[in-house]
Amino acid sequence: EAQVTQNPRYLITVTGKKLTVTCSQNMNHEYMSWYRQDPGLGLRQIYYSMNVEVTDKGDVPEGYKVSRKEKRNFPLILESPSPNQTSLYFCASSPRTVNTGELFFGEGSRLTVL
Amino acid sequence: DAKTTQPNSMESNEEEPVHLPCNHSTISGTDYIHWYRQLPSQGPEYVIHGLTSNVNNRMASLAIAEDRKSSTLILHRATLRDAAVYYCILRGETSGSRLTFGEGTQLTVNP
Repeated sequence: EAQVTQNPRYLITVTGKKLTVTCSQNMNHEYMSWYRQDPGLGLRQIYYSMNVEVTDKGDVPEGYKVSRKEKRNFPLILESPSPNQTSLYFCASSPRTVNTGELFFGEGSRLTVL
Repeated sequence: DAKTTQPNSMESNEEEPVHLPCNHSTISGTDYIHWYRQLPSQGPEYVIHGLTSNVNNRMASLAIAEDRKSSTLILHRATLRDAAVYYCILRGETSGSRLTFGEGTQLTVNP
């Protein structure tokens, strides 16, 4: 089954404790991206990647890092989480033809930073 | 980046058609119009997309204005399972990678 898998789905952590949210897709997609969703602000893009070893900033990259060492994986790293990073996070992927390709989303990871 | 404007909320009755509008007055010639929806507690899912001509699929229809500055997602017979937030976005050569979803339209379907 074609899918985008995120882990963990739920996480409560404390300020400053490094964490990684993993994202994996099984569709051989070149394009992957991360979004955060907050009430009243819709979905905002954090980072995206056009292919292995190619990443770029979205609208809200501050406080986040990403890496794309393999085509199927695109982890989101919070080196020193802060309470304002409490949010619902979504990973998405699509074929290289980004101007037409359908985006596939994961089920989301709800992160709480105390 | 080209942006879209949608009403915050709309309401419909079950089994009636629903027309969800989207304005994209700054659309470029190579931008595709995409629609996604997000059911409660789920990630967004693809609904339909188009460039210039009207499009139909099993989920919905997409009507695109002749000047491409607006479009309408049509659900022919709304069901309770269609209650969701609907997002209209543009994807193209310049905006295909960096995407802005906005807040979308919250569709309520009354039984």
